Amino acid sequence: TQLLEQSPQFLSIQEGENLTVYCNSSSVFSSLQWYRQEPGEGPVLLVTVVTGGEVKKLKRLTFQFGDARKDSSLHITAAQTGDTGLYLCAVTGGADGLTFGKGTHLIIQP
Amino acid sequence: DTGVSQDPRHKITKRGQNVTFRCDPISEHNRLYWYRQTLGQGPEFLTYFQNEAQLEKSRLLSDRFSAERPKGSFSTLEIQRTEQGDSAMYLCASSLNGWTAFFGQGTRLTVV
Repeated sequence: TQLLEQSPQFLSIQEGENLTVYCNSSSVFSSLQWYRQEPGEGPVLLVTVVTGGEVKKLKRLTFQFGDARKDSSLHITAAQTGDTGLYLCAVTGGADGLTFGKGTHLIIQP
Repeated sequence: DTGVSQDPRHKITKRGQNVTFRCDPISEHNRLYWYRQTLGQGPEFLTYFQNEAQLEKSRLLSDRFSAERPKGSFSTLEIQRTEQGDSAMYLCASSLNGWTAFFGQGTRLTVV
């Protein structure tokens, strides 16, 4: 059983559209991170959310941590082709390393 | 210091050969992590170090895998008698006391 379930697994939309991707779990976490990864590169940290109900904005990206700290969402407004990539959520696992979801593969078509 | 660096970026090896990868973390970071990522999946935790001590190893890490961080700075990951199933991206990350982890660009291993 995956600790973190990300949905959708794949998403392909046109430039200019809005989208939301999700990261869900039955467990409660003290914090959750979102990363973006391009092919052949390592993940790059986008944001860390800590407080239940917290909303963080990074330009056109809006991150929300659920009130119960079990889930999170990432909303992108007016998507651009440069947003294409693999979006990963991660939490601190039992081994003190990060545990990742399988990610959402996002393709923004021109 | 420009971040976490990994060497080599790409490695092609024949099945049965040994390979070694290197990771140089951000200099003030005391924690160093190794992950493996296969196509279409998120990174999977392999092992981590706090300074020079290896504190945790995943069940994914078979006896053919060994990692060291001899002086608490750079780390090496060795795979002995490589198998085709070892083909993956090997990622290294570092953090200060378990806070935000920063990743290197990875080493892409192909076993033929």
